[in-house]
Amino acid sequence: AQSVSQHNHHVILSEAASLELGCNYSYGGTVNLFWYVQYPGQHLQLLLKYFSGDPLVKGIKGFEAEFIKSKFSFNLRKPSVQWSDTAEYFCAASNQAGTALIFGKGTTLSVSS
Amino acid sequence: DTEVTQTPKHLVMGMTNKKSLKCEQHMGHRAMYWYKQKAKKPPELMFVYSYEKLSINESVPSRFSPECPNSSLLNLHLHALQPEDSALYLCASSQGPSSYNEQFFGPGTRLTVL
Repeated sequence: AQSVSQHNHHVILSEAASLELGCNYSYGGTVNLFWYVQYPGQHLQLLLKYFSGDPLVKGIKGFEAEFIKSKFSFNLRKPSVQWSDTAEYFCAASNQAGTALIFGKGTTLSVSS
Repeated sequence: DTEVTQTPKHLVMGMTNKKSLKCEQHMGHRAMYWYKQKAKKPPELMFVYSYEKLSINESVPSRFSPECPNSSLLNLHLHALQPEDSALYLCASSQGPSSYNEQFFGPGTRLTVL
């Protein structure tokens, strides 16, 4: 069955710390991969996406993610977090022939100033 | 305009009520989606409309009835809901139904069923 798993349920960091959020997927065939963010009281926004090509993708607000096919992973990183990065982060995947996004359970990031 | 709007923001209804959720986008997108999101859980896909036709129904109970009157509007009609249906209902749209197209999400309608 297709699935997306996020290892970290809640991550607490101080400002300027580095961030890495794990995401693994289980899909047959080729996948499209996404990271979405949901700031408190706001709607889901796309941070970045990977379809093909360079496995290191850069998104908005200084985030990047690396696709490692051999590990079925698409981890999100940011070298230095800010208080404003406090949010819920969702990894999502879809097979390339499909429409439906399947989301991971999400990771709550709390950044203290 | 890169916005998906949803009304109402909040809705409280009894189990015998009939209500509707509305979603609108003016980005010329031809795919629209309904998701259900319970607290501290990820969004779960309910329905997909592609070119105003229902293309995916993820085994949603018939007490939820989607409608796409035109390419800009998406409704979700609610009838005889259960308390466990209380959740945030998210609408999204994308340029086309392919997963290569970014989905833009609305702010959601927070539904409480008493």
